[in-house]
Amino acid sequence: DVKVTQSSRYLVKRTGEKVFLECVQDMDHENMFWYRQDPGLGLRLIYFSYDVKMKEKGDIPEGYSVSREKKERFSLILESASTNQTSMYLCASSSYDRANYGYTFGSGTRLTVV
Amino acid sequence: DAKTTQPTSMDCAEGRAANLPCNHSTISGNEYVYWYRQIHSQGPQYIIHGLKNNETNEMASLIITEDRKSSTLILPHATLRDTAVYYCIVRALHNAGNMLTFGGGTRLMVKP
Repeated sequence: DVKVTQSSRYLVKRTGEKVFLECVQDMDHENMFWYRQDPGLGLRLIYFSYDVKMKEKGDIPEGYSVSREKKERFSLILESASTNQTSMYLCASSSYDRANYGYTFGSGTRLTVV
Repeated sequence: DAKTTQPTSMDCAEGRAANLPCNHSTISGNEYVYWYRQIHSQGPQYIIHGLKNNETNEMASLIITEDRKSSTLILPHATLRDTAVYYCIVRALHNAGNMLTFGGGTRLMVKP
């Protein structure tokens, strides 16, 4: 069964900490994405990557960075966590070869910054 | 990518068909209609997609109007586990970064 795996389901961090959210996919997909989801605001795209070492800003990149050193792994980094980054974070992947079949999402990481 | 309009919420009786509408009046000729759903506390799940022909798979049917300005997702026999937020998205197959833009979706409540 194909999967997108996010390293943590729940995470609690302190303000100012550097936070790493990890995402791994086993489908050899070219594209990977990080979204955050907040009540009333829906899913908003933070960053995406269409190839190793490539990254593009989404709609809300401020306060975040990403790393894609290997095709299967896409990391989201909160350089200095703040309380307004408390949210559900969702990773997804897709392939150009199978672009017709949409995205596969991970189960999400619920991050709380205190 | 074209924008979509969906009702905020809908109810459906268990065992009955759930028909979820979506308007996408500014859809372009190369844009597909995708449907995803998100069950509480889980990541979104792909359901079905189509260009202009009606489509059916094991989860649902997708009916696209002839002018492609609207579509309907049909869950033929809704169960309690179909309670979720359903997202209708239109996008070109090869848009930049191949990314999806999610709107507010329709919150479907399946009731016993």
